[in-house]
Amino acid sequence: DAGITQSPRHKVTETGTPVTLRCHQTENHRYMYWYRQDPGHGLRLIHYSYGVKDTDKGEVSDGYSVSRSKTEDFLLTLESATSSQTSVYFCAISRDTDTQYFGPGTRLTVL
Amino acid sequence: EDKVVQSPLSLVVHEGDTVTLNCSYEVTNFRSLLWYKQEKKAPTFLFMLTSSGIEKKSGRLSSILDKKELFSILNITATQTGDSAVYLCAKVDSNYQLIWGAGTKLIIKP
Repeated sequence: DAGITQSPRHKVTETGTPVTLRCHQTENHRYMYWYRQDPGHGLRLIHYSYGVKDTDKGEVSDGYSVSRSKTEDFLLTLESATSSQTSVYFCAISRDTDTQYFGPGTRLTVL
Repeated sequence: EDKVVQSPLSLVVHEGDTVTLNCSYEVTNFRSLLWYKQEKKAPTFLFMLTSSGIEKKSGRLSSILDKKELFSILNITATQTGDSAVYLCAKVDSNYQLIWGAGTKLIIKP
């Protein structure tokens, strides 16, 4: 398995609070991604990174920001969480931009 | 809108049966096609397909791509209860974006 960890694994928070999810890799892969997965919608890309300090938006980026100050860490921030952001969040990494390997996921509940 | 369509959406079979899962895609900006297995956790990578007619095989699982007809199939022979999962396919486009299908939920009954 690719060396990817996500923290926290579970979080419950209240509407309006900021939340930061962390993805950490030990593979030195260049590309990192954040997805959310919801019933009926499948996997949807939020943001991705193609190098340190190089990030871009995915299809559902509104309400989310990311940062990548080191190759191994990719942070996803919800500036002011809303109930619609209740979801399972997956981080993925890729060396060659085709095959992506997924972290274990973070289950986020916004009350 | 670029789409990946998987069929069937769900499938229930008995242990020992052979199943075929389908994934069709649009030709626009095609680079490769990926198959993943997702149990109650993160998707795990199964196959990457880039060339037509070349079968990829891993144990009881195999997959093939038809770039003329724009589809891929995933075969599982001699199914076991541990094969129960959602199987996802994704098209990688020329911008290295993955377009995901909705998945096929496979249930193997003992």
